[in-house]
Amino acid sequence: DAKTTQPPSMDCAEGRAANLPCNHSTISGNEYVYWYRQIHSQGPQYIIHGLKNNETNEMASLIITEDRKSSTLILPHATLRDTAVYYCIVLYSGGGADGLTFGKGTHLIIQP
Amino acid sequence: DVKVTQSSRYLVKRTGEKVFLECVQDMDHENMFWYRQDPGLGLRLIYFSYDVKMKEKGDIPEGYSVSREKKERFSLILESASTNQTSMYLCASSLLGLGNQPQHFGDGTRLSIL
Repeated sequence: DAKTTQPPSMDCAEGRAANLPCNHSTISGNEYVYWYRQIHSQGPQYIIHGLKNNETNEMASLIITEDRKSSTLILPHATLRDTAVYYCIVLYSGGGADGLTFGKGTHLIIQP
Repeated sequence: DVKVTQSSRYLVKRTGEKVFLECVQDMDHENMFWYRQDPGLGLRLIYFSYDVKMKEKGDIPEGYSVSREKKERFSLILESASTNQTSMYLCASSLLGLGNQPQHFGDGTRLSIL
């Protein structure tokens, strides 16, 4: 039962902003939106997460719509090393250790 | 930066061998996890631990066991390796919080059982 929907692939020119959308229309009030990415043959890398407000860190920005039914991950100046599969997931904020489940994600290809 | 280190990037073992995969994290995280990742099946949780000597089964614990004698180290053991355990194995760690703590992963061990 997929909780998130992402486009299977996207292209972006090097140096431009990459905007990756994610739909999570059934998200509940206590669920966070998380983004991870996985570069070929490496372990997943945590990027950013948020609950309601927009968030920014050294890697990316996360924009969450007011109704929380969708979000956009923004890589402000994409480089070739940003080519990876990007996963958007929702996680309950309650206690305990939740195992992660990735969907198919978006394969982002940065073009030189 | 969080550092999660897995002992081997690539490992080849034979059917029936006892296999140990080691994972060490340097950020004093309480939670540690072992996953396997297979094409078409995605990421699946094998075991996790929220404290020294504590362990909880994940979704696919059969054929595996774990050990956590020290907070920074979490070992995955394949008691008698089989070919269907050929996979990419990923270790992760996170702080014990309200569930909104990100997991940080190692680079993985690609294990082949012949």
